[in-house]
Amino acid sequence: AQTVTQSQPEMSVQEAETVTLSCTYDTSESDYYLFWYKQPPSRQMILVIRQEAYKQQNATENRFSVNFQKAAKSFSLKISDSQLGDAAMYFCAYRRSNQGGKLIFGQGTELSVKP
Amino acid sequence: NAGVTQTPKFQVLKTGQSMTLQCAQDMNHEYMSWYRQDPGMGLRLIHYSVGAGITDQGEVPNGYNVSRSTTEDFPLRLLSAAPSQTSVYFCASSPKQGIYNSPLHFGNGTRLTVT
Repeated sequence: AQTVTQSQPEMSVQEAETVTLSCTYDTSESDYYLFWYKQPPSRQMILVIRQEAYKQQNATENRFSVNFQKAAKSFSLKISDSQLGDAAMYFCAYRRSNQGGKLIFGQGTELSVKP
Repeated sequence: NAGVTQTPKFQVLKTGQSMTLQCAQDMNHEYMSWYRQDPGMGLRLIHYSVGAGITDQGEVPNGYNVSRSTTEDFPLRLLSAAPSQTSVYFCASSPKQGIYNSPLHFGNGTRLTVT
């Protein structure tokens, strides 16, 4: 069975600095998709970034980028120029290529941003 | 532009009571799913559906029932509420076309407390 592990329950970053959130996963599949979701106190789940396993190039979305290491089964999220609005719970998620709608989530990392 | 609508936002039940959490989406998405979120455990899949008339169990299905009579609606029924079902519940949907990298669209969640 696939599993997703986020080993950092809490992280803290100074405003304008860079922080990296870790995520590892376990799968025997070769074709899959990885996601980072943000959950602010409003409870809304917001997609931050996604990565297709067949793509070697790391995905980027403005200040957010990933370091995807397929062999190591690692999918970390880097947030550059952190802003107060980045404070939230962040979830890493995995999905097999042929299982639309079925995500496996990590435990989450609570990120706080200090002014 | 409603997206995924969940009702109610909050609910308190007594042990043994039954209730239905409602979920509706107006995006004509084939895939719909229910997750529960518990502290330190991320989101876990309860049930999902790949289309009207088709449902299947997820990781934690015990104590819950679902049905999918229309594309739009995917209600989650608690048959006999237990304190262990105290959680935040999320409904999500995604399209079948281009499913491989389509993110889930989440509702805003229902906070359920069972006393």
